[in-house]
Amino acid sequence: QPVLTQPPSVSGAPGQRVTISCTGSNSNIGAGYDVHWYQQLPETAPKLLIYDNSNRPSGVPDRFSGSKSGASASLAFSGLQAEDEADYYCQSYDSSLGGWVFGGGTKLTVL
Amino acid sequence: EVQLVESGGGLVQPGGSLRLSCAGSGFIFSSFTMHWVRQAPGKGLEYVSALSANGGETYYANSVRGRFVVSRDNSNNTLYLQMGSLRAEDMAVYYCARSPSWHSRFDYWGRGALVTVSS
Repeated sequence: QPVLTQPPSVSGAPGQRVTISCTGSNSNIGAGYDVHWYQQLPETAPKLLIYDNSNRPSGVPDRFSGSKSGASASLAFSGLQAEDEADYYCQSYDSSLGGWVFGGGTKLTVL
Repeated sequence: EVQLVESGGGLVQPGGSLRLSCAGSGFIFSSFTMHWVRQAPGKGLEYVSALSANGGETYYANSVRGRFVVSRDNSNNTLYLQMGSLRAEDMAVYYCARSPSWHSRFDYWGRGALVTVSS
């Protein structure tokens, strides 16, 4: 059972706004550790999408955004596009485990 | 251009051993914490192991602690994962990734190496 909880799937039509939640606890996100998000397109390696809760690496479109509040974080897509169809994972550090943890992943389907 | 290239994957029998390598290029390898993350077929990402930039600090997930050993050769820009007592549940694509510091994001990933555990 993943330490960080994500919905297994979300969907939306092109142009819609969609969010993916990531819920942790007082030993990871709630303890103040940063949340990072990764996009995994089919048959490819994960790619960093959002880091330190809300920052975008160079080259990531500004229609992707991240936020964090308390022991939870969210990844938002403003204006879904067909090429956004992928699996998305949140990640943080857990002080109880002394290591890194991932969410179970969310499959985004663009209708 | 930053590149991470895994090698050493393959078919191994249950109880066997295998060593993965991850060659880094395009960056100062000795300045980055390095990680191993795996993904079983059709499953999500599972964190495996970490090794600090100077090799002085390690971390292992409970599922591999005592069976896997992570190491690095900064003179050859290479990260290793020695895997022993392999089980069916260790079958996965193994990715290496780098992070700027111990608690930081994984900003570059390799393409992965497939490890198949089967008799």
